[in-house]
Amino acid sequence: DGGITQSPKYLFRKEGQNVTLSCEQNLNHDAMYWYRQDPGQGLRLIYYSQIVNDFQKGDIAEGYSVSREKKESFPLTVTSAQKNPTAFYLCASSIDPRGGRPIFGSGTQLSVL
Amino acid sequence: AQKVTQAQTEISVVEKEDVTLDCVYETRDTTYYLFWYKQPPSGELVFLIRRNSFDEQNEISGRYSWNFQKSTSSFNFTITASQVVDSAVYFCALSENRRGGADGLTFGKGTHLIIQP
Repeated sequence: DGGITQSPKYLFRKEGQNVTLSCEQNLNHDAMYWYRQDPGQGLRLIYYSQIVNDFQKGDIAEGYSVSREKKESFPLTVTSAQKNPTAFYLCASSIDPRGGRPIFGSGTQLSVL
Repeated sequence: AQKVTQAQTEISVVEKEDVTLDCVYETRDTTYYLFWYKQPPSGELVFLIRRNSFDEQNEISGRYSWNFQKSTSSFNFTITASQVVDSAVYFCALSENRRGGADGLTFGKGTHLIIQP
């Protein structure tokens, strides 16, 4: 079955540590996105990518980095510069960013030790 | 800039009641898309509907219906004869066509719907 796989489901970060969240899709979608969700808040866009080897900052990119070396993969690194990383992270993909129907993964809960 | 407002933070109703979730949006684009997603406790966002700005017809899908009114910039969602399984957080979202819609969706803060048995 086609879909988006995020791993791990739960992740813990020590202070000063970089951690990487995985997002893989087998839907042959061109566009991929990373969102952050805080309790009682909507989703906020961190980074997005429309094609391989290209990505753009979203509304809250500071303290995060991404890569898009393969169409199927869009990993997100939460760096030590992100001072408040505890949140639920959702990855999405869309066959067409211009109004396409984004499909979401099941999310990764990141917590700070 | 685009904005989506879901004024109802939490709604609690008894099973079988009808319930309407409100969504008001702001955009400068004439071409845009509106979405509703459901987020159950498992966390994954489940797509419910997408509506483009040129299609103001209301839509019904089983117990779900949507009322899109450009005059009031609203895209409200009604569940008829609610069931316990409808309990979730519901998000309204907007995608603008400016820049090809490349910058993803703008989400409201969500409405937590609680259906009591």
